[in-house]
Amino acid sequence: QQPVQSPQAVILREGEDAVINCSSSKALYSVHWYRQKHGEAPVFLMILLKGGEQKGHEKISASFNEKKQQSSLYLTASQLSYSGTYFCGTGGGGNKLTFGTGTQLKVEL
Amino acid sequence: NAGVMQNPRHLVRRRGQEARLRCSPMKGHSHVYWYRQLPEEGLKFMVYLQKENIIDESGMPKERFSAEFPKEGPSILRIQQVVRGDSAAYFCASSPEGTANEKLFFGSGTQLSVL
Repeated sequence: QQPVQSPQAVILREGEDAVINCSSSKALYSVHWYRQKHGEAPVFLMILLKGGEQKGHEKISASFNEKKQQSSLYLTASQLSYSGTYFCGTGGGGNKLTFGTGTQLKVEL
Repeated sequence: NAGVMQNPRHLVRRRGQEARLRCSPMKGHSHVYWYRQLPEEGLKFMVYLQKENIIDESGMPKERFSAEFPKEGPSILRIQQVVRGDSAAYFCASSPEGTANEKLFFGSGTQLSVL
């Protein structure tokens, strides 16, 4: 079952914050986050392996609530370079990932 | 240190022809994953291979699609008798050990267009 992401799309002004959510109907062992720019390969952002774990990457961080089978990606003080489509990928064991529906983020001046 | 290499970058085929997509994983990586992406959609898992073995092909269509990862050479995704619905971007990713705490390194993809 494919994880569901929300919102589907969001438009920000530079400097604004955003939260992207990822929910799964299955138990999660790991959550990956990737960003993909149009016509390019997905690029790794971070992995969360333990329930409740939070990881950070510059101004992008994420949390993982194993009990709720959810993860959230937090983007603070957004920059133009943050524009792209964000995917969560959930693992049920091993490294085969099931990717979410995607969230299109556009950052404008 | 070259990343994941996919070729061709763009492939045009007529209905009924065969398409062969190649993926060379990063040096030292023995685990390869193929994903398909339709326009404006997410990445759909197709197959997971380790050298000479298919580990998980649960996302592969039952007919016309096959994948291999030989001892020597790149991984190949083969689509026989292509149809218009096969038009998509096909991404390959690799990882060193195939465990849940590893990130996937993606190639730039092959855009398949079926006329």
